[in-house]
Amino acid sequence: GPKVLQIPSHQIIDMGQMVTLNCDPVSNHLYFYWYKQILGQQMEFLVNFYNGKVMEKSKLFKDQFSVERPDGSYFTLKIQPTALEDSAVYFCASSLKLGVSAETLYFGSGTRLTVL
Amino acid sequence: GDQVEQSPSALSLHEGTDSALRCNFTTTMRSVQWFRQNSRGSLISLFYLASGTKENGRLKSAFDSKERRYSTLHIRDAQLEDSGTYFCAAASFSKLVFGQGTSLSVVP
Repeated sequence: GPKVLQIPSHQIIDMGQMVTLNCDPVSNHLYFYWYKQILGQQMEFLVNFYNGKVMEKSKLFKDQFSVERPDGSYFTLKIQPTALEDSAVYFCASSLKLGVSAETLYFGSGTRLTVL
Repeated sequence: GDQVEQSPSALSLHEGTDSALRCNFTTTMRSVQWFRQNSRGSLISLFYLASGTKENGRLKSAFDSKERRYSTLHIRDAQLEDSGTYFCAAASFSKLVFGQGTSLSVVP
């Protein structure tokens, strides 16, 4: 089936550094999402993105976070600067349509971010 | 905001037995998706439902079509490989809202 690829699978950085998480969504999809999962806990919505713009973001999407998809390349989540509480697994997802009620969301396998 | 309450939080089953997981929604939802998260953390999509029921092998899911406020996942003849964390996720317009998960352990 359709695949969402996330690179890298694991990233370790020092607190205060910048990190960029990369997502290669399903090729014809137009809507993109980031979710955060702290170990053993539920998946928390961060942000969704369409046509170059953030459509909706949660309280977890702090000012230090930003997303973009320049020229149809990777959909990225950048954190600058990172904090200890940013340690989590970040999942990217994509869908063809908005209104996720209309179809499934496809998820990547996650990037485990460890902030030291 | 929209809330998804999932139960039970943990479950232990003997091989060959049946059980059911449940998700309640605090508001009417348009659809529901069920996932299993394996030990490596990968999310595997099991079902997407906008109404009614779907079945795949030993798994069957239902979404209350009338009030659209709960969904169930039935596991029949549980096997060791069914172990993992199961999440339901309900669709509000522009995102999925996840439940807290059910940690399922199938034992011999």
